[in-house]
Formats: sequence, C-alpha cells, structure tokens
Amino acid sequence: ETGVTQTPRHLVMGMTNKKSLKCEQHLGHNAMYWYKQSAKKPLELMFVYNFKEQTENNSVPSRFSPECPNSSHLFLHLHTLQPEDSALYLCASSQEGRKDYEQYFGPGTRLTVT
Amino acid sequence: AQSVAQPEDQVNVAEGNPLTVKCTYSVSGNPYLFWYVQYPNRGLQFLLKYITGDNLVKGSYGFEAEFNKSQTSFHLKKPSALVSDSALYFCAVRDNTNAGKSTFGDGTTLTVKP
Repeated sequence: ETGVTQTPRHLVMGMTNKKSLKCEQHLGHNAMYWYKQSAKKPLELMFVYNFKEQTENNSVPSRFSPECPNSSHLFLHLHTLQPEDSALYLCASSQEGRKDYEQYFGPGTRLTVT
Repeated sequence: AQSVAQPEDQVNVAEGNPLTVKCTYSVSGNPYLFWYVQYPNRGLQFLLKYITGDNLVKGSYGFEAEFNKSQTSFHLKKPSALVSDSALYFCAVRDNTNAGKSTFGDGTTLTVKP
C-alpha cells in the first residue's frame, strides 16, 4: 500500500446524478492531486492543491469540483457528467519543499457514466 | 513549458534479457525526472528519481535509469527482465521551479515473455 486511499473503488452513475470521490493520504504530505486516466489520454492532471490552496486547475469543466478541507483529505464532487468522463480517477500526494517530490498514488476510482 | 516523450507504446523482451524503456524530456530549468510503474487495476507506484548527483540512479525491483543531459534522456533499464515486470511504465518530468506540477509521458507497456 502507498499510504493513499481512495473511495469508492468503483462507481456507476447516471448523467443527472451527483456523487463525490474521496481521497485520504496518511503520509503527512502537503500537496495533493487529481488525475484522470483514460485510454485516449493516459494521464491528465486535473487539480493541484498545495497546503490546502488550489494552485492548478487544468482547464477542467465545472462539472468537476474539487474540495480540500485539510492537507490529508481531498474530494472530487461530480455533477451532470457526460459519458466521455468515464475513466479511472487517481489521487496522489507529495511533499513539496524538500528534495523528494515523487508522488504517491492511490488505487483509483473506476468511474462509469451511463 | 515542459514535456516528456516515450517513443515506444510497447516493448517486448524475453525473460532474462536486459530491458530498456526510453524517455526523453524538455524543460526550461533543471529537470527532476521520475519513473513510475502501474500494474493492472492499480495506481502508479514510484520506482526511482533523478534530482541531482550521480547520473546513474538505482531504484526499486532492480531497476535503474541513466540521466543524460546532452541527449535529454532518462531511459529505464534492468539487466535481467522478469515476467512480473510486465506492466505500464510512465516517465515524468518537472523543472526545479515548477512547484507541484509534473508532466507525464503517455506510458510504455512492457511485456516480458517466459
């Protein structure tokens, strides 16, 4: 285990549903990330949080809404998704400010939008 | 801007033979370079990194990589491949001024045949 957990592991939702993905890191890191992994684009960075502040929003549609209440927890709120949003959503964390910088990933949430 | 290229979608090797997975990069500052591995239905796992120091970096599971500044490359190598090394491998880069943002390659699928 990497010290990053994600729930749920699998999610099927209709286009009109609202759901949330949860990520928790137990590594004491100060930065957290959301990535989308699909067959068309292997790894797309969506959001970055440093010290709970959002520092990157990579032109992500507003139907994806991140929330970072503290440095250990990260949420991705989903609303009115499209079928093309079906993908594996990966959360990661890292320690910024030291010469570490490698990211630790959770197992991902497999999202299917019907 | 920073970018990573993994020129091979697929690499096939026989068990016991040496393997190389190629990666080239482009950054404006000094590069921080990483390799990650992803097994089926799992998140990415950190393998090794180059931040500074020796150009030959050793990592987990017997993997190593060589930083070549003149060729802007960071190829992943292993002297003797195992069937269990079969997985998807990602190279990533960030420059030393680009806090929190790594750019990942498209990934290379390594298949080791018995």
